[in-house]
Amino acid sequence: GESVGLHLPTLSVQEGDNSIINCAYSNSASDYFIWYKQESGKGPQFIIDIRSNMDKRQGQRVTVLLNKTVKHLSLQIAATQPGDSAVYFCAENIINNDMRFGAGTRLTVKP
Amino acid sequence: DGGITQSPKYLFRKEGQNVTLSCEQNLNHDAMYWYRQDPGQGLRLIYYSQIVNDFQKGDIAEGYSVSREKKESFPLTVTSAQKNPTAFYLCASSRGTGSNQPQHFGDGTRLSIL
Repeated sequence: GESVGLHLPTLSVQEGDNSIINCAYSNSASDYFIWYKQESGKGPQFIIDIRSNMDKRQGQRVTVLLNKTVKHLSLQIAATQPGDSAVYFCAENIINNDMRFGAGTRLTVKP
Repeated sequence: DGGITQSPKYLFRKEGQNVTLSCEQNLNHDAMYWYRQDPGQGLRLIYYSQIVNDFQKGDIAEGYSVSREKKESFPLTVTSAQKNPTAFYLCASSRGTGSNQPQHFGDGTRLSIL
C-alpha cells in the first residue's frame, strides 16, 4: 500500500517469485495513472501507464491492473530479479497533467 | 541520448544564501516541472512551466523561484526565504500538459544545509 509517513511500506520477495505492489488513489475523476521505479539516489523511472478506460495493461514482465470501483491500482512484476529492488510509486493525473504521487513501497528482492 | 540532466548532484547551502539548481532537457518537451522529495513522502510540486516565458506556482512555491527563458532549461532557485530547504529536488518534463502525457525525470539534486 501507500503511505505518507516517514517509513515506507516494504515488500520482500524471493528472487524468481512474482511481486504485487498496491496503490490506493484519491480522486475518482483521475483519468491516467503511471507506475514509477526509483532506485536509491536516482530519479523516478517510468515503468508503465494506464488510462482510465482500461482495466489492465501489460508490459515486459510487468502488468498494471486498475479497479476504478475501489480506486485501486496494482503493479505486478513477474519473476522478480535483484535488479527490481527499488521504491515503486504510483501517480494519478487529476487534470491536465496535475499529477499526484504516492509515497511508494520499497521492494527488496532476496537472492 | 535524449534525457533530462540535473546539476549539481549534491549542493550545500549556507545560511542566508540563494542557490540555483540546473535542469536541462533535450527531449523537445514543452512542459517542465520541479518537485521536492522528502523521506517517506510523495513528490510535491514546486513550480511548473507549460511553455517558454511562462510558469505557474505549484503546491509549495514559497521560498523558491524559477525562470524559463529557453525551452530546454528550467532552473530553480532556492532562496534564503525557504527555511527548510534540505531535500531531494527532482526536475521533470513532458510533451505537454494534457492528460496522458507521462513526466520523465532527471536524477535529482540533493540539497543540504551547511
